[in-house]
Amino acid sequence: RKEVEQDPGPFNVPEGATVAFNCTYSNSASQSFFWYRQDCRKEPKLLMSVYSSGNEDGRFTAQLNRASQYISLLIRDSKLSDSATYLCVVNRGRYGNKLVFGAGTILRVKS
Amino acid sequence: DAGITQSPRHKVTETGTPVTLRCHQTENHRYMYWYRQDPGHGLRLIHYSYGVKDTDKGEVSDGYSVSRSKTEDFLLTLESATSSQTSVYFCAIRLGLADLGETQYFGPGTRLLVL
Repeated sequence: RKEVEQDPGPFNVPEGATVAFNCTYSNSASQSFFWYRQDCRKEPKLLMSVYSSGNEDGRFTAQLNRASQYISLLIRDSKLSDSATYLCVVNRGRYGNKLVFGAGTILRVKS
Repeated sequence: DAGITQSPRHKVTETGTPVTLRCHQTENHRYMYWYRQDPGHGLRLIHYSYGVKDTDKGEVSDGYSVSRSKTEDFLLTLESATSSQTSVYFCAIRLGLADLGETQYFGPGTRLLVL
């Protein structure tokens, strides 16, 4: 079993839709959590950190459930430009040295 | 922009040849990392460096070596390339976040094809 698991998708949604991605992690000692976005043939880029209390950045909302070892990302009012692969990332250690990446969830937003 | 460049950006080579990939950063970051990314897998750590001449292995280090003779450059060498090393290679630096610890920032990647 992989340490960080994501549904690979693809999620095909129309513009304006709300879409949610889930991620589970197996190491209960994980310290911090992130969502990265990766466009086709590009490098991963940090989308947002995930706080224990949940956090929002514009149309994006991230949630963390430590008890269930579960992270989610909600995208509201999807745009064509949101089409990308979304990577769930867990930091096992206190410092940024022990990142574990999920394989990613593909989102395709269509007009 | 953390000022990371990678070279070459694309390379085609033959099995058995040595290959060196370069990661260059301009902002004096202490920690640097090499990952590979393959379909169906998340990014997997090959090696990392925590200072000049200080390096350590990641989870998929077999067949790879690294060197860091100066802060700005971190080199990844495939001593004798194999087809299983066909992949996209990303370099990263450690990024401090004011609010939530640290994560990593990635360079643009190198696409390597081993024939």
